[in-house]
Amino acid sequence: DGGITQSPKYLFRKEGQNVTLSCEQNLNHDAMYWYRQDPGQGLRLIYYSQIVNDFQKGDIAEGYSVSREKKESFPLTVTSAQKNPTAFYLCASSMRSGGTSTDTQYFGPGTRLTVL
Amino acid sequence: AQSVTQPDIHITVSEGASLELRCNYSYGATPYLFWYVQSPGQGLQLLLKYFSGDTLVQGIKGFEAEFKRSQSSFNLRKPSVHWSDAAEYFCAVGANTGNQFYFGTGTSLTVIP
Repeated sequence: DGGITQSPKYLFRKEGQNVTLSCEQNLNHDAMYWYRQDPGQGLRLIYYSQIVNDFQKGDIAEGYSVSREKKESFPLTVTSAQKNPTAFYLCASSMRSGGTSTDTQYFGPGTRLTVL
Repeated sequence: AQSVTQPDIHITVSEGASLELRCNYSYGATPYLFWYVQSPGQGLQLLLKYFSGDTLVQGIKGFEAEFKRSQSSFNLRKPSVHWSDAAEYFCAVGANTGNQFYFGTGTSLTVIP
């Protein structure tokens, strides 16, 4: 089955610790995205990557880092610098990298991160 | 600046009644518009999308949406709601450079029997 997987589904972290959220896709999509979802605020873009070994900051990148070493994988690290990391994190991918067109984004099931 | 507004935070409808969820967008060029649905604790599932052509778009689960350029709207409709439609609904506009999406804050739908 083709799709996007995120792991773990639930993640607990102590204050001051870094934690990495996994996102993998087998759709052969070029572009991948990370969003943060908080109640009543919709989805906010953290980082996105249009091609391997390249990524750009979104609207709320502070306190987060990413890497894109493989086309299939786009892990997100929530660092201790992120002031309020408790949230639901969604990964998405799209077939093309944009340019002058828009392509549908498909979403994974999400990871709920709770800071204790 | 690009933005999406969903004026209704929460809507309650009776099962079998019709539904309309509102979405207004602000975008300088030709918009690419999407509706997604999210069940609690889950990811987003694409319901339908509008890129060009016919302004009435059919989607999955019996949903449809109509693009009205003059009103900058892309409202989602369903003629008869089922209890399983209870979920959060998000409208989004896609930029045609960089493929960035801009999401509304969502409308929570409750269906009463």
